[in-house]
Amino acid sequence: DGGITQSPKYLFRKEGQNVTLSCEQNLNHDAMYWYRQDPGQGLRLIYYSQIVNDFQKGDIAEGYSVSREKKESFPLTVTSAQKNPTAFYLCASSPYYTGELFFGEGSRLTVL
Amino acid sequence: DAKTTQPPSMDCAEGRAANLPCNHSTISGNEYVYWYRQIHSQGPQYIIHGLKNNETNEMASLIITEDRKSSTLILPHATLRDTAVYYCIVRVDEGSQGNLIFGKGTKLSVKP
Repeated sequence: DGGITQSPKYLFRKEGQNVTLSCEQNLNHDAMYWYRQDPGQGLRLIYYSQIVNDFQKGDIAEGYSVSREKKESFPLTVTSAQKNPTAFYLCASSPYYTGELFFGEGSRLTVL
Repeated sequence: DAKTTQPPSMDCAEGRAANLPCNHSTISGNEYVYWYRQIHSQGPQYIIHGLKNNETNEMASLIITEDRKSSTLILPHATLRDTAVYYCIVRVDEGSQGNLIFGKGTKLSVKP
C-alpha cells in the first residue's frame, strides 16, 4: 500500500545527543515536509523540500537539519543545539504545489 | 497566508450533523480553504478543500460564503470516530511553497 512511514514511533534520548528521525514515502510525491507539534498546540513547520537535493527552512528550523538525497526519503536530525527537542514530529508529503498533504503516524521524541 | 479563526471546542450528538465554522475575513482571491482533522496522537488527515464553490466528498461538505470570508465544514452524520481536532487553513495553491499554517483548530467531541 502507498503511504508514509515514520520511524521510530517512540524515541528516548539523553540531553546533548543528536537523533535522526526517518521518513519514507512511496507515493511518488515531489514535496516533503517536517512539522513539530507540542501538547495542545497546532503544527509548526521545521523544513520542507520540493525536489531532490533541495530544501528550505520553515518557521522553526534552528537546531534541526535535513537531507533529501532520494525522492522517497527525507530524514530529520534533531541536534544538540535544539533547546527543547521533546515533541511529536510529523512528516508529510504532497504532489508538487498542492495543499493536500499526506501525513505519517508521527515520531514522539522524549529527551531525558 | 491569511489567518483563520475557529471555536476552540464543540460538541455533537452521534448521528447528527456536525457543523464546524471558520472565519477567514482577510482571505485573498487566490487562496483556497483547506480542512484537515487530527485524531489524538495521529498525523493529520486531509478532508476537503475549495476556492469559491461548495464542495462535497465522501467525508464531508464544505460551504463557503459568497464573500469567502467564512466557511463551514459539515459532517452529515457524525460518529464517535469523528472525535478529533479539526483545522481550517487558507493557502495559495499556484506557485506556493506548500506551507500550511495549522492553528489550534476546533476540538470536536461526538457524544453517544
